[in-house]
Amino acid sequence: DAKTTQPNSMESNEEEPVHLPCNHSTISGTDYIHWYRQLPSQGPEYVIHGLTSNVNNRMASLAIAEDRKSSTLILHRATLRDAAVYYCILRDGGGPTSGTYKYIFGTGTRLKVLA
Amino acid sequence: GAVVSQHPSWVICKSGTSVKIECRSLDFQATTMFWYRQFPKQSLMLMATSNEGSKATYEQGVEKDKFLINHASLTLSTLTVTSAHPEDSSFYICSARTGKQPQHFGDGTRLSIL
Repeated sequence: DAKTTQPNSMESNEEEPVHLPCNHSTISGTDYIHWYRQLPSQGPEYVIHGLTSNVNNRMASLAIAEDRKSSTLILHRATLRDAAVYYCILRDGGGPTSGTYKYIFGTGTRLKVLA
Repeated sequence: GAVVSQHPSWVICKSGTSVKIECRSLDFQATTMFWYRQFPKQSLMLMATSNEGSKATYEQGVEKDKFLINHASLTLSTLTVTSAHPEDSSFYICSARTGKQPQHFGDGTRLSIL
């Protein structure tokens, strides 16, 4: 299974941008990069995903390196509600016909937002 | 957005009893559902993958006779922890997916076995 590596923790000041890095040097050509975040005592919440091009949505932006071996989740203005564990996941294709696309979670990055 | 509901949100029961957890996709048909377990301060660990109408595929090290999974419809999957013991106490989370879309997660079930 393709693996991801993230820093254990990061801190940010409120209202400032946050760049959360993820390394995935063993990514295959068909793996999508997914980001989720998990607040305490809740299930993970979908943030964003992409394949090759940078992606933007109302929650965040995803910058993908040209060689796809790393990516960065960008929160443009951190708020206290963004404090969570952020997971970068490569979607396991499971083969061309299985359609399983299971996720293997790494340890994630615990983001602390300072008021 | 896609909503996945899990029930109950927490349960406490005696050692030796069986506990059933339900996972429902409320506004979409889930071709695949997944069950995870999460211990305190740890990441999610995938337990099994379930396709509607098929037997679940369990990850290595997960006892299929201990954790019974049923996925009888496109909107409902259940996880039954049989003869639960204190070491089964954990946070159980389900997710659901349709086609190649991202998974959507429930809010988890906290299981405490006394």
